Amino acid sequence: SQKIEQNSEALNIQEGKTATLTCNYTNYSPAYLQWYRQDPGRGPVFLLLIRENEKEKRKERLKVTFDTTLKQSLFHITASQPADSATYLCALYNFNKFYFGSGTKLNVKP
Amino acid sequence: GAVVSQHPSRVICKSGTSVKIECRSLDFQATTMFWYRQFPKQSLMLMATSNEGSKATYEQGVEKDKFLINHASLTLSTLTVTSAHPEDSSFYICSAESGTGNTGELFFGEGSRLTVL
Repeated sequence: SQKIEQNSEALNIQEGKTATLTCNYTNYSPAYLQWYRQDPGRGPVFLLLIRENEKEKRKERLKVTFDTTLKQSLFHITASQPADSATYLCALYNFNKFYFGSGTKLNVKP
Repeated sequence: GAVVSQHPSRVICKSGTSVKIECRSLDFQATTMFWYRQFPKQSLMLMATSNEGSKATYEQGVEKDKFLINHASLTLSTLTVTSAHPEDSSFYICSAESGTGNTGELFFGEGSRLTVL
């Protein structure tokens, strides 16, 4: 069966550290993978997209890697801030549709 | 970025009634919109793909007669939950891809929280 797995346990880190979130998938062949941020009671907000032929993408303090052999994407937030606290979702674009993982909640403590 | 507006943001209704949720793309045209539902602490579950001028494509297990989708124009899609029951209570979110300079980014509405009593 198709699965998109993100760590369901919250990630708690200290301000200033690097947060690393993982997204693993099975039985998908995504053309690209995206990361979104979702705050409680709100719709997700797009952060980054990485295509299957790209290994790494950066945007300000954010970095995404994509390993199609391991079927895994890593999402990094460097110099994390309390304002980065939110749930982060990965999404796969597969056959003209978007499928989401359940998200990992990040708590950045001052 | 592109803006997607969803209305209402919250709705409470009695069991057996129907509820309509609107999703509008405010500054771009969206030939395709997606409808998701999300239970607490769970993933966004794709319900259907809404195509302008044609019938929606529903995901397996989603009742098309229960969740009516109409995409009458390039800026408006509606989801009607018919004969709602308490188990239909959920957070419903629509999204759309911007048609110009498509980067694959999805723009989401703010979501509609439905509570069926």
